[in-house]
Parts: sequence; structure tokens; C-alpha cells
Amino acid sequence: NAGVMQNPRHLVRRRGQEARLRCSPMKGHSHVYWYRQLPEEGLKFMVYLQKENIIDESGMPKERFSAEFPKEGPSILRIQQVVRGDSAAYFCASSPGQGPPGYFGPGTRLTVT
Amino acid sequence: EDQVTQSPEALRLQEGESSSLNCSYTVSGLRGLFWYRQDPGKGPEFLFTLYSAGEEKEKERLKATLTKKESFLHITAPKPEDSATYLCAVQLIKAAGNKLTFGGGTRVLVKP
Repeated sequence: NAGVMQNPRHLVRRRGQEARLRCSPMKGHSHVYWYRQLPEEGLKFMVYLQKENIIDESGMPKERFSAEFPKEGPSILRIQQVVRGDSAAYFCASSPGQGPPGYFGPGTRLTVT
Repeated sequence: EDQVTQSPEALRLQEGESSSLNCSYTVSGLRGLFWYRQDPGKGPEFLFTLYSAGEEKEKERLKATLTKKESFLHITAPKPEDSATYLCAVQLIKAAGNKLTFGGGTRVLVKP
């Protein structure tokens, strides 16, 4: 049973470009969480989604960031017009619905140049 | 404001030298406390969940305990492969879904 998959693992974008990060949850999991880990900082919650629904986006920056989890396909975290401060590791986690996000993916490391 | 604080920030141990990591929390309504291990360049790996004061969980050389204000992760006779960053996180009763609030982590280095 494959774990949580994220791609790409590394992403380099110039300032002003768009970044799209993908997360495929574990098989049978319908709940997805996105967390961001800035250099030398702890993990910060961004958004919690179920299929076709955003449940909690209290950690998402108000502008440039959006997330979706469509009925088919992976969850997407989209960052428009990236800035250097967006450089971080972005982790996705999934759960079957009950219990905490116990299974994290390997992360996508975004570098904005 | 809800806060989770881990100490120390970093810990250097000799192989076999037991020690404890602390996670203190100031939150309004704890649903659960979680410990994760994170290796460099990887995502957090789930270790334990604790739900009530007095609860203890063990796994190999690790033992987690919980009180009303803090949790400890005890590492007994550590080996070099126990080197990692250990994260604690809290799940609040008021939080929608299963959102976790993480501490800053403790970086553990075990030297042979």
C-alpha cells in the first residue's frame, strides 16, 4: 500500500511564476491536510480538505494561495506569483476521516529565485 | 493564545545515554497530543498519540507520557539511528477536523 505521494519533490520557480504542488493521499483516505515548514521553523497548518470541499483554510495566506481536492485526482496546492518568502517545504498528510493526519508525504521543497 | 513549546531545541547524546524531551502546551481544550519523528529531507513519521493525563505509550526505546500541562518523550539507551528531529503537536477540541498545532521540534543527535 503506497503511502502519501507528493510531486514534484523539488520545485524551482522564479519570482512571479506559479507553483503547483500535488498530493495523492493514501488509498482509501478522503481527507487531506497541507502544512508548510519554513526554514528553521516548525510545521504550520495551511488547509484541510475533503473530496470537493475545503473544511478549514484558516492557515492559508489570504492572497495568492489556493487549494483543491477534486473528486478525481490529487489534491493541488497552487501558489500564484511566488515570492522569495514562499520558499519552504510543503507537506501533505492524509487520514481516512477519523483521527489525526498520521501519514505525511515526503514533501515538496519549493525554492523561489 | 494556544502555544506549544518544545525544549531543548537541540540535544547531543552519547550512545546509551538516556534523556528526555519536553513538550509544554498552553491551550484551551486538548483533544490529543501527538509525537512525530522527522528525518532530514523527509516528512514526519507518526510515533504516538496521547489523550489523557497519566497516559503512557512505548515503542522500542521511546516512551511518551502526558500530564495536564506537558508531555515527555523519554529515550532510553539511544542508538545513533535515533538521531532525528522529534516533533510534538496538539489537536484542540475547538479545531475543525483534525488540524494539528506543532511545536518547533527538538533535534537529537546520538553519537556512537
